[in-house]
Amino acid sequence: DIQMTQSPSTLSASVGDRVTITCRASQSIGNWLAWYQQKPGKAPELLVYKASSLQSGVPSRFSGSGSGTEFTLTISSLQPGDFATYYCQQYNSHRTFGQGTKVEIK
Amino acid sequence: QVQLVESGGGLVKPGGSLRLSCAASGFTFSDYYMTWIRQAPGRGLEWVSYISSGGDTIYYADSVKGRFTISRDNAKNSLYLQMNSLRAEDTAVYYCARDPVVTAIDYWGQGTLVTVSS
Repeated sequence: DIQMTQSPSTLSASVGDRVTITCRASQSIGNWLAWYQQKPGKAPELLVYKASSLQSGVPSRFSGSGSGTEFTLTISSLQPGDFATYYCQQYNSHRTFGQGTKVEIK
Repeated sequence: QVQLVESGGGLVKPGGSLRLSCAASGFTFSDYYMTWIRQAPGRGLEWVSYISSGGDTIYYADSVKGRFTISRDNAKNSLYLQMNSLRAEDTAVYYCARDPVVTAIDYWGQGTLVTVSS
């Protein structure tokens, strides 16, 4: 089974900061990687698919990059509504989620 | 608009069974893979199972294999998860989600809580 490892687990940042979250796969997954945002008590929302394609309606301050085993999600200028937990997910072989990265207010 | 509404959650004793349902609307259900994902209280997301559009391809996470059964009724636009031999560690919010495969899981239901406790 493919394992997904996110880092960091928690990230403290301020409004306006540039934020980067990393996701590593235990084996190559091509570009079959998605990123989700989840706020407390809510279902996750898709941000990025195929590693770098922005889902319709998602602000352009979010971007994804990478291929193979290493991927990043970048928020270019953190906004108040971006404080949430972010998950990567591979869909090359079945589906596996990373453990999550909580972005909290510094 | 796409809507996914789960039902069937509740409190069940260890070893018991429960059947979750997901009613889909706003898209052509029979065109899409569908997925169940769960989230234990205070924990991360765990993929549980998916089923192809026609129901002929099914996969399960190792943690539920042999105990859970996914199915669908395209005529009723509905997805199901039959859960048997439930354990305390199956306690979670269970989400039904649309899975277009190429473009990743794009719509989620609001979730239904399953609590396994004596």
